[in-house]
Amino acid sequence: NAGVTQTPKFRVLKTGQSMTLLCAQDMNHEYMYWYRQDPGMGLRLIHYSVGEGTTAKGEVPDGYNVSRLKKQNFLLGLESAAPSQTSVYFCASSYDGQGANEKLFFGSGTQLSVL
Amino acid sequence: GENVEQHPSTLSVQEGDSAVIKCTYSDSASNYFPWYKQELGKGPQLIIDIRSNVGEKKDQRIAVTLNKTAKHFSLHITETQPEDSAVYFCAATAFQGAQKLVFGQGTRLTINP
Repeated sequence: NAGVTQTPKFRVLKTGQSMTLLCAQDMNHEYMYWYRQDPGMGLRLIHYSVGEGTTAKGEVPDGYNVSRLKKQNFLLGLESAAPSQTSVYFCASSYDGQGANEKLFFGSGTQLSVL
Repeated sequence: GENVEQHPSTLSVQEGDSAVIKCTYSDSASNYFPWYKQELGKGPQLIIDIRSNVGEKKDQRIAVTLNKTAKHFSLHITETQPEDSAVYFCAATAFQGAQKLVFGQGTRLTINP
């Protein structure tokens, strides 16, 4: 069982470059999320989606864009990378995000460094 | 909005001893409190959760207690083993939906043989 798969696992960018992180889940989950993890700050929600074709802002959305064209995929884009976006990025999914189905399933993360 | 504080940031215990991690939250309406474990190089994984209508929940060697009056909840791990070494995150929300979860800062637990 693959679960939640993130690509790439590591990436180094120069300031101003753009890139897209891909998240794929094979559990038929409705909800998908992008988090960033920084030392001493826990996990902070960037954007999320409650279903195919929908996206919404989380706690720290500035500088990022997302798309959910297919139910199983959730893409995170950085149009013009900045050193402040150096972080570990996690994708997660949940069945429907409601009540007893709030359990999050996380990918293994993407380590991004912006020089 | 909700704010979750987690302590300690690092914890080192001898194998076989108990470990306790504490979290406080600010929103008295919060009613769902999960704990996630993150092993090295992996994403977080849910290990236990509790809802506000329950004061304590156990699952083998791990337990979570909730004090709604004081607005804090704790993770207890008994008979610690080397595989318990990881980063642990608490979280809280007053809303249905994981998109409203607020995470604590994390605790790095090290089990010494």
